[in-house]
Amino acid sequence: DSGVTQTPKHLITATGQRVTLRCSPRSGDLSVYWYQQSLDQGLQFLIQYYNGEERAKGNILERFSAQQFPDLHSELNLSSLELGDSALYFCASSVASGAGNTIYFGEGSWLTVV
Amino acid sequence: QKEVEQDPGPLSVPEGAIVSLNCTYSNSAFQYFMWYRQYSRKGPELLMYTYSSGNKEDGRFTAQVDKSSKYISLFIRDSQPSDSATYLCAMSAENAGNMLTFGGGTRLMVKP
Repeated sequence: DSGVTQTPKHLITATGQRVTLRCSPRSGDLSVYWYQQSLDQGLQFLIQYYNGEERAKGNILERFSAQQFPDLHSELNLSSLELGDSALYFCASSVASGAGNTIYFGEGSWLTVV
Repeated sequence: QKEVEQDPGPLSVPEGAIVSLNCTYSNSAFQYFMWYRQYSRKGPELLMYTYSSGNKEDGRFTAQVDKSSKYISLFIRDSQPSDSATYLCAMSAENAGNMLTFGGGTRLMVKP
């Protein structure tokens, strides 16, 4: 158990809908990351937050947004869902935001868009 | 061409074999190198972490980094059926925050 908690574990929704994925980082970790894992693209970095502030942005679609709250939990919002958004979404955390800080992954939220 | 290339396998070996897993990369700015193990539909679990070039050993696992060749390896000695999983290499650069770039993963099967 990495200590990173993600909910829900599984989610099935229809195209065009909006979902919110929730993440609680490990105790003491200030930085949160979101990654998407699909069969054809592998693990792709989406976005990073540190202590409530956005730190880095990767291949995140405009239909997706995220935030980190004062209690350090984070949410990833996915809207206008398409079939291609079906994937495993991982949250990860680390103590600090700089390069070299060990990143621990949660168990993921499996999103299926039908 | 992807920044990090990894043979997807599957790689099938008998129990007790030495396993060699490899990644090549193109970005010379990568300084931090990691190996993660991922069981089916589970989160990646950090196995090994190396900074810059060199070797690192932890139990049955040895990680090697050759920056001159842009090539990293993970060796697993005395492989066990419980080692059957997908192994992902990951890398990050000093000036890119802590963003990890992953290889596509190699699926390993260790047969009893």
